[in-house]
Amino acid sequence: EIVLTQSPGTLSLSPGERATLSCRASQSLDSSFLVWYQQKPGQAPRLLIYGASSRATGIPDRFSGRGSGTDFTLTISGLEPEDFAVYFCQQYGSPPPKTFGQGTKVEMK
Amino acid sequence: QVQLQQSGPGLVKPSETLSLTCRVSGGSISSGDDYWNWIRQHPGKGLEWIGVISKTGRTTYNPSLKSRITMSVDTSTNQFSLKLRSVTAADTAVYFCAREVVTTFGGVMDYYYGMDVWGQGTTVTVSS
Repeated sequence: EIVLTQSPGTLSLSPGERATLSCRASQSLDSSFLVWYQQKPGQAPRLLIYGASSRATGIPDRFSGRGSGTDFTLTISGLEPEDFAVYFCQQYGSPPPKTFGQGTKVEMK
Repeated sequence: QVQLQQSGPGLVKPSETLSLTCRVSGGSISSGDDYWNWIRQHPGKGLEWIGVISKTGRTTYNPSLKSRITMSVDTSTNQFSLKLRSVTAADTAVYFCAREVVTTFGGVMDYYYGMDVWGQGTTVTVSS
């Protein structure tokens, strides 16, 4: 099973600041298998990034992803009030199971 | 666009079977590149993948839950379902259904587009 470890656990930032979130895999991944989600309290996750770097439909360009191998990064270039949430990375699961990181909470400072 | 509507009881007794259904609207469950997942989230915790089913009924389950899970698909009603047997308090969680898109080329997986449509979530409590 591929373990995804996200860091930091919590990021305290102000609106307008840049957020950099890390996702490290326990073994090398095909970058096309890595996705990122945003989750707000009481809501289902929302797909942000697929293929490590492609934005999903309707996702603003302040969200960007990059990475390869075992190290992946989600960057939010200038935090908007609606971006304060929890972010999860996930890998496709080849072989299964699919796994998620434990999440990074981006909170308002 | 595709939407997912979950249904099922919010309270299940220990040792009984949890049954949830996810109805697909705005599209067909038989669409070529779509696969249908169940995921759960324990209170205040991260996400745990339960399993996935294809339009033809082919399933892949999380090994940690495999012995207790059955997933099924009904193309005539555009629904898919989850059954989790012998539940305990550790199965108390919010359960989500989700569509994922996976393309293939020559029968081999080509690209993974992630889980782009989610159900609203069902809070399931296991308690007597």
